[in-house]
Amino acid sequence: EAGVTQFPSHSVIEKGQTVTLRCDPISGHDNLYWYRRVMGKEIKFLLHFVKESKQDESGMPNNRFLAERTGGTYSTLKVQPAELEDSGVYFCASSQAGTSGRAQETQYFGPGTRLLVL
Amino acid sequence: DAKTTQPTSMDCAEGRAANLPCNHSTISGNEYVYWYRQIHSQGPQYIIHGLKNNETNEMASLIITEDRKSSTLILPHATLRDTAVYYCIVRVKVSGTYKYIFGTGTRLKVLA
Repeated sequence: EAGVTQFPSHSVIEKGQTVTLRCDPISGHDNLYWYRRVMGKEIKFLLHFVKESKQDESGMPNNRFLAERTGGTYSTLKVQPAELEDSGVYFCASSQAGTSGRAQETQYFGPGTRLLVL
Repeated sequence: DAKTTQPTSMDCAEGRAANLPCNHSTISGNEYVYWYRQIHSQGPQYIIHGLKNNETNEMASLIITEDRKSSTLILPHATLRDTAVYYCIVRVKVSGTYKYIFGTGTRLKVLA
């Protein structure tokens, strides 16, 4: 079974440009999460999709970030325009829906996209 | 809003048990403790999780104190491939979302 995949693995862009990150979750996983780690800080939650719906986007830093999950399969995270402080590693994770009231939704992470804004 | 505290780094001799502590004194009754590890340039890899009881799987054991304010991840026979950053995570539920609150992690170095 394929794991969570992310594309690209690395991206180097200039301040003011646009970058789109893609995440393909594990097949059949309804839940999809985005996290990021900026330099010197902890990995932090950005948002959560259940199928194609945004369940929680409380961690999105500002309106320069737009996440979509059309059709409830893969997801994209667009940064427009990118700023220097957006540099970091962006992780995607997915999990199954909880069952039988025991929502032990272990999240499985992709390898991350390393974004550098110059 | 970190909910976990871990030592920054630890060393362990190859073949010995690695015991990685974590404090989570503000954990709520229905919040799980998860452990993941990250090997250089890979994403966080799931190891184990628990709520109240001690847990064991093929990778590790998780010991949770009775008051749930701390836990210890045990790698019974550490190998060089276990060198990684180990994250102790509290999973919280907010508005229907289960989100992970990561700590800063412990950098474990297994020595030959």
